[in-house]
Amino acid sequence: SQQGEEDPQALSIQEGENATMNCSYKTSINNLQWYRQNSGRGLVHLILIRSNEREKHSGRLRVTLDTSKKSSSLLITASRAADTASYFCATDAEGKLIFGQGTTLQVKP
Amino acid sequence: EPEVTQTPSHQVTQMGQEVILRCVPISNHLYFYWYRQILGQKVEFLVSFYNNEISEKSEIFDDQFSVERPDGSNFTLKIRSTKLEDSAMYFCASSPEQGNYGYTFGSGTRLTVV
Repeated sequence: SQQGEEDPQALSIQEGENATMNCSYKTSINNLQWYRQNSGRGLVHLILIRSNEREKHSGRLRVTLDTSKKSSSLLITASRAADTASYFCATDAEGKLIFGQGTTLQVKP
Repeated sequence: EPEVTQTPSHQVTQMGQEVILRCVPISNHLYFYWYRQILGQKVEFLVSFYNNEISEKSEIFDDQFSVERPDGSNFTLKIRSTKLEDSAMYFCASSPEQGNYGYTFGSGTRLTVV
């Protein structure tokens, strides 16, 4: 089945450092999306990259997509303590999102 | 900014009881979804809904589950006879169209079956 799998599962960095999370998936997609989830809260959409795009930026976020390797990465630059959350990639095909297990990011002040 | 609203935020129910989880999607969105997240696990797709009918459902969404959009604004998920393993966070989401937009998720309903 189509799945997004992230690595690392957990990441701990100091404020100001960059954080990189990776996602792999198995089948063809229309687009790939990244979401953030603060503990016990809902999912917040961060960025969407279409299958014909290779890179996209939004503020401090940079997403890449390599459809030949079926992988994506999310880079958060100049991290802040408020970026502490779980980050999920989700692949969109056939009218639904399939989520990965997520990366738990801790940014220490 | 428009929000997806879910009520209640937390529901405790006895095993075997029926529960209805309620959602108000964003008003001009056309696609509606339910997802669930068992504690510590990934977010799982349950069902998608478009044009007043189910467009896709997962294996999880068996005969115990149903969805309804009764009045053009609310979108409900009913579980007829709850089981302990139904305990999870249930998220409603909506999107204006498929393929080009991210989903807007609600804050979720934490369902605890005892």
